[in-house]
Amino acid sequence: SYELTQPPSVSVSPGQTARITCSGDALPKQYAYWYQQKPGQAPVLVIYKDSERPSGIPERFSGSSSGTTVTLTISGVQAEDEADYYCQSADSSGRVFGGGTKLTVL
Amino acid sequence: QVQLVQSGAEVKKPGASVKVSCKASGYTFTSYGISWVRQAPGQGLEWMGWISAYNGNTNYAQKLQGRVTMTTDTSTSTAYMELRSLRSDDTAVYYCARDLGGTNAAFDIWGQGTMVTVSS
Repeated sequence: SYELTQPPSVSVSPGQTARITCSGDALPKQYAYWYQQKPGQAPVLVIYKDSERPSGIPERFSGSSSGTTVTLTISGVQAEDEADYYCQSADSSGRVFGGGTKLTVL
Repeated sequence: QVQLVQSGAEVKKPGASVKVSCKASGYTFTSYGISWVRQAPGQGLEWMGWISAYNGNTNYAQKLQGRVTMTTDTSTSTAYMELRSLRSDDTAVYYCARDLGGTNAAFDIWGQGTMVTVSS
């Protein structure tokens, strides 16, 4: 199974734009998914198939893909967006998660 | 509503086994798979494996091959994950998640998590 690499932490001020990257060699061939996890809670799917947003997820969450890197963008960050974010993808061996990125809202 | 409800917390001794259940409701159980994901304290998410609720096919993470077994009971819409020969580093919250499968390998619904503590 291959690896997905995320930065350990990202910090932004309220109202600014946060960008969290995820890199992996198989990402040009496989979709990426993003999950938000707040302390003591189960993860929540916020982006699927690179850029699709599930119903109920605010429009400020968006996803994009370029080559071996996918990016989760949160526009107009709010205090409630402070959480851990994980990318996830798949290959013939199964599913794989990135190491996670802690988003801090200053 | 669509939900997955897991069994309660467990405390086990090293070398023992644990079996966690995950009861689905609000959707056709056999139309999707179930993946199991664990999270050690303060650590990230780790995919453990997948089972098709349609035909019982499984795919386990290589790291856990030989120690993990995933099953389903379609009569009760329940998935199970059994982990054997427990070690202290198996201490984690264990989640089940609905796996959309195919070209959309997303986990769109998650259980609430089950804390498994391995301690002598």
